Amino acid sequence: GAGVSQSPSNKVTEKGKDVELRCDPISGHTALYWYRQSLGQGLEFLIYFQGNSAPDKSGLPSDRFSAERTGGSVSTLTIQRTQQEDSAVYLCASSLDSTGNSPLHFGNGTRLTVT
Amino acid sequence: GQQVMQIPQYQHVQEGEDFTTYCNSSTTLSNIQWYKQRPGGHPVFLIQLVKSGEVKKQKRLTFQFGEAKKNSSLHITATQTTDVGTYFCAGPGAGGTSYGKLTFGQGTILTVHP
Repeated sequence: GAGVSQSPSNKVTEKGKDVELRCDPISGHTALYWYRQSLGQGLEFLIYFQGNSAPDKSGLPSDRFSAERTGGSVSTLTIQRTQQEDSAVYLCASSLDSTGNSPLHFGNGTRLTVT
Repeated sequence: GQQVMQIPQYQHVQEGEDFTTYCNSSTTLSNIQWYKQRPGGHPVFLIQLVKSGEVKKQKRLTFQFGEAKKNSSLHITATQTTDVGTYFCAGPGAGGTSYGKLTFGQGTILTVHP
């Protein structure tokens, strides 16, 4: 139960294919976040979960993006019909709660390359 | 929606020089958090400021939270090559379902020349 675990660490896919990115948060952390980071850029918020519910999914770029969380633990971010502009590092983070007062603990990310 | 702006975007310094990055929010924040991302790594939490006018120090790093709780700064004294990386500030949403949403500034990329 060290830190946040993300898999795969790298994913290369062809344009138009679907991909699933997995995040295993720190045990006991009820909040889980997904961010996207393009090369040399900042952190773009995608969605966050409190338990299995997603109070704010305003950052999902399009309806090709979806995420779920089950058992208050593992989360999966799914990108359908991938496009080249989806290429980025997808970072997952967890925190004790979603009050906005708890620090985020990030995983190492999944580097997605769409060819 | 809430915006968190950070300047400068880049900062190149000689080792031993000081460095400051500034963060401004469009809304009043309940707290502000600072993170550091080393090249090729993931963001790592540095510190959280909660009180108006709060100042916290971590060795050569000094963090300040503005009186109006809308701005913050990170100052590094006598930079070292180990300080290289991107420094991000982040603040929670204004309320409702966005309260748990942590919005990050664009980050300041610090390069230190030996």
